[in-house]
Amino acid sequence: DTAVSQTPKYLVTQMGNDKSIKCEQNLGHDTMYWYKQDSKKFLKIMFSYNNKELIINETVPNRFSPKSPDKAHLNLHINSLELGDSAVYFCASSQEGQGAFNSPLHFGNGTRLTVT
Amino acid sequence: DQQVKQNSPSLSVQEGRISILNCDYTNSMFDYFLWYKKYPAEGPTFLISISSIKDKNEDGRFTVFLNKSAKHLSLHIVPSQPGDSAVYFCAGGTYKYIFGTGTRLKVLA
Repeated sequence: DTAVSQTPKYLVTQMGNDKSIKCEQNLGHDTMYWYKQDSKKFLKIMFSYNNKELIINETVPNRFSPKSPDKAHLNLHINSLELGDSAVYFCASSQEGQGAFNSPLHFGNGTRLTVT
Repeated sequence: DQQVKQNSPSLSVQEGRISILNCDYTNSMFDYFLWYKKYPAEGPTFLISISSIKDKNEDGRFTVFLNKSAKHLSLHIVPSQPGDSAVYFCAGGTYKYIFGTGTRLKVLA
């Protein structure tokens, strides 16, 4: 019973396509996130949702749209995929928002997106 | 602008010895720091954290030290075990966490 699960694990697609990555957490956490790890291994926050409401939206192209149908799910939809979108995308959750003491992030196993 | 830096991309240590992983940050407003361990094809796993009001936190074989004046934190693993071989990320922040690029630790049997 995985705490934070994301699907698919691998995603290979062509430029211009639209794709989605799904994430679910069964930890009862209030806050969920999407992180991107690029080729230089930087792990950067993209979005954060608390109880289905967007609370952090970093400088991310608006081709990326998160959707949170309930507090246990946070999906990431990407339109018009570009070569530079190739990366590993991690979903995470925490009991409270980041920066709250004793509220570490719990990560999923990542989705490796390759755009050709 | 890289606010959290792990200047050593890799480290090799003999089994049973101490592993010391270092992390520097630039933002003096950071009030919470964490260390994560990551195995290949898995997500980062939380190890240990420290609040800026402390200078040390210990959990079993793992101890994190924070030197606020130097804007430096370190993770000590004693004794190191082969299963500790992984990439270690430090992170710091306030309302959001900024991650370093990781240090690959290899514990030699």
